Amino acid sequence: DAGITQSPRHKVTETGTPVTLRCHQTENHRYMYWYRQDPGHGLRLIHYSYGVKDTDKGEVSDGYSVSRSKTEDFLLTLESATSSQTSVYFCAISQTPNYGYTFGSGTRLTVV
Amino acid sequence: ELKVEQNPLFLSMQEGKNYTIYCNYSTTSDRLYWYRQDPGKSLESLFVLLSNGAVKQEGRLMASLDTKARLSTLHITAAVHDLSATYFCAVEAGNMLTFGGGTRLMVKP
Repeated sequence: DAGITQSPRHKVTETGTPVTLRCHQTENHRYMYWYRQDPGHGLRLIHYSYGVKDTDKGEVSDGYSVSRSKTEDFLLTLESATSSQTSVYFCAISQTPNYGYTFGSGTRLTVV
Repeated sequence: ELKVEQNPLFLSMQEGKNYTIYCNYSTTSDRLYWYRQDPGKSLESLFVLLSNGAVKQEGRLMASLDTKARLSTLHITAAVHDLSATYFCAVEAGNMLTFGGGTRLMVKP
């Protein structure tokens, strides 16, 4: 999507290794979110950020950490990947929660 | 904790038929969104419903919101193959969206 880029698009990693996913925006939006998508569960919120260095947990935050050192970048880290973290990860941005959300193209992560 | 339930989870329909997808949610919300997702793609925003009784229409899709019943519907009129996709409702409360499980729609010629 215009203004929001996720990297990498695909990744295969081994159990127990650390993994970092990056979300980059050029819209200068205040809010950024990480969701995971699994069949039958829709999208579930992992963590979100409401400003530089301001983050909070979502519904499924265990095993994940995030960082936001500048407005444009929101990093999601799996400290020690597990097979249950195999999923498609989406980043979203919003100027405020009342102005709608724009989603990135997603990162497909496979933990073997 | 906000819960959002969609049904049906899977819908196979013939072209030209009408059908409705239902989205129930458990607590008061700020607004409700409908998204479309094609396989392997991101989410495309379809509708944002802001208040009780809100109705929005775009082509063959019409969404409505009943905040008293905590129910939103997505009605499909005279379905065509191009509408085949997965549809999600999402409820906004506070600073975040909570999604339903999605409805996979398959429209057969």
